[in-house]
Amino acid sequence: GNSVTQMEGPVTLSEEAFLTINCTYTATGYPSLFWYVQYPGEGLQLLLKATKADDKGSNKGFEATYRKETTSFHLEKGSVQVSDSAVYFCALSDRDGSRLTFGEGTQLTVNP
Amino acid sequence: DSGVTQTPKHLITATGQRVTLRCSPRSGDLSVYWYQQSLDQGLQFLIQYYNGEERAKGNILERFSAQQFPDLHSELNLSSLELGDSALYFCASSVVPDGEQGCTFGSGTRLTVV
Repeated sequence: GNSVTQMEGPVTLSEEAFLTINCTYTATGYPSLFWYVQYPGEGLQLLLKATKADDKGSNKGFEATYRKETTSFHLEKGSVQVSDSAVYFCALSDRDGSRLTFGEGTQLTVNP
Repeated sequence: DSGVTQTPKHLITATGQRVTLRCSPRSGDLSVYWYQQSLDQGLQFLIQYYNGEERAKGNILERFSAQQFPDLHSELNLSSLELGDSALYFCASSVVPDGEQGCTFGSGTRLTVV
């Protein structure tokens, strides 16, 4: 079956540091890949997505590239802010849109 | 506000009881998904409905059931509750089941079983 593996957290950075959160996946076929973000006390928000190999998703300074050869979708941001503190989830979708499979989530804390 | 409305936000109940969680999808969305988020199992897909019909089923216990009504709102029924059912339950919706678009999540119902 499908599975998603994220780097273990928590991750603590200083403001303006570079962020990488690793994500690898196992899936049949060619899934779409997503990053969702969960702020404290809130639901999940779609951060970015990529639907085919070599696509780059980007939003709010975050980027991730769909790498089919390494089955990866690592999240990056060049300069994090305190407001980026949240839990980040990598996910993949079955092609028929029946469900999302999530990674374990990575807690990010950014200190001023 | 994502447009997906879940009620109640918090629920505390005793073991053995039954509860109903309610979800109103975003306007125009025909598909509803239920997910469970717990500390030990992470985010798990439970069940999906599309235009009133069950479309996909995940790791949903037999004690749990759901339905989607003609007005497209959905209810998740949890019965014979156990301590281990304590979790955050999310509803999500999408226009149609489309693997490329993802879905929009509500803010969740936090269920505590005591």
